[in-house]
Amino acid sequence: KQEVTQIPAALSVPEGENLVLNCSFTDSAIYNLQWFRQDPGKGLTSLLLIQSSQREQTSGRLNASLDKSSGRSTLYIAASQPGDSATYLCAVPPPGNNRLAFGKGNQVVVIP
Amino acid sequence: GAGVSQSPSNKVTEKGKDVELRCDPISGHTALYWYRQRLGQGLEFLIYFQGNSAPDKSGLPSDRFSAERTGESVSTLTIQRTQQEDSAVYLCASSPRQGTNSPLHFGNGTRLTVT
Repeated sequence: KQEVTQIPAALSVPEGENLVLNCSFTDSAIYNLQWFRQDPGKGLTSLLLIQSSQREQTSGRLNASLDKSSGRSTLYIAASQPGDSATYLCAVPPPGNNRLAFGKGNQVVVIP
Repeated sequence: GAGVSQSPSNKVTEKGKDVELRCDPISGHTALYWYRQRLGQGLEFLIYFQGNSAPDKSGLPSDRFSAERTGESVSTLTIQRTQQEDSAVYLCASSPRQGTNSPLHFGNGTRLTVT
């Protein structure tokens, strides 16, 4: 069974600082890894999807890396802003399966 | 264009009552997923639809839970004889095609409270 762990569970940073969020998974036989953002009372918004053959994906201030062999992904958010405050979740599809296994999320607060 | 729409956004029900939760996926999306998010927990997979068939129902927690989908459109998740442990946010997501190499688009969820 695929287990996804996200560390730290919660963090607060001053505005302008870079954010580093970590995700680890137990089974490296994955098709891809996705990072989502969830605002309070809302659903999830897809941020980045990294295919298993890729090492990283970038979108604006966001960069996600993937190291399949070690079962890790890192989401970097450059020059954080108060609007980045949210919970960030990573998810991977278990082998041969259409569902996604989610971590519990990194709850981020960016202090103005 | 419209995103994934879920209704109701909030539902409070008494223990033992039945509830129906509705999901309208993005038009043209063939794959539809239901997840449950309990307070302080990660998302739990419930069921996956491809078109109107459900090849993976393995996440449904008990026979009180059922779901159906009309064509490649609306899906309904039904919980019979609700229990307090059913209290959670129920999230629906859709994607354009089978498989998980395309991002999921989530609705805002239905917050279910069983009293």
